[in-house]
Amino acid sequence: AQSVTQLDSQVPVFEEAPVELRCNYSSSVSVYLFWYVQYPNQGLQLLLKYLSGSTLVESINGFEAEFNKSQTSFHLRKPSVHISDTAEYFCAVDSNTGFQKLVFGTGTRLLVSP
Amino acid sequence: EAQVTQNPRYLITVTGKKLTVTCSQNMNHEYMSWYRQDPGLGLRQIYYSMNVEVTDKGDVPEGYKVSRKEKRNFPLILESPSPNQTSLYFCASSFVTGGRGNEQFFGPGTRLTVL
Repeated sequence: AQSVTQLDSQVPVFEEAPVELRCNYSSSVSVYLFWYVQYPNQGLQLLLKYLSGSTLVESINGFEAEFNKSQTSFHLRKPSVHISDTAEYFCAVDSNTGFQKLVFGTGTRLLVSP
Repeated sequence: EAQVTQNPRYLITVTGKKLTVTCSQNMNHEYMSWYRQDPGLGLRQIYYSMNVEVTDKGDVPEGYKVSRKEKRNFPLILESPSPNQTSLYFCASSFVTGGRGNEQFFGPGTRLTVL
């Protein structure tokens, strides 16, 4: 079965500092990988996804993630965070066991302070 | 505005009292799904539906029922709620065409407390 590990439950960082949110997955087949963001009191929104092709994918608000097959990782990075990036971030993998069934990690809460 | 709506947003109820959480989407999506979110466990799928009258179990279906009589609606039914169903529930929808990589759109969530 597929699984996703987000080791950091909470990442505190100062505004304008760089950040990396870690995600590792287990899979024996080709995978589709996703990062979703959940702002306070809201539902999840897709931040970016890797399906195939270039291993580096970017979002419109400055986040990027790199698919690393050998390390089975899909870490999320941003070179300079803003207060508005404070949210919970979920890494997910398409399970390949049910149509469009996503297996989510436990989430990482990013706390950006001034 | 394209969106997934859920009602109610907050609900406190007692053990055994049947309840329904509604979910509706206006994007003409074929696929709809229910998840529950619990601290330290992330989101887990309860049920999903590929289209009208087509539903199937997810990872944690026990104690829940769903129906898909119309394309836009996918209600979640708790026939006899128990305290272990206290959770934050999300409905999601997406297109089927294109397959596994399609973006799922999530509703705002329903926070359910069962006493």
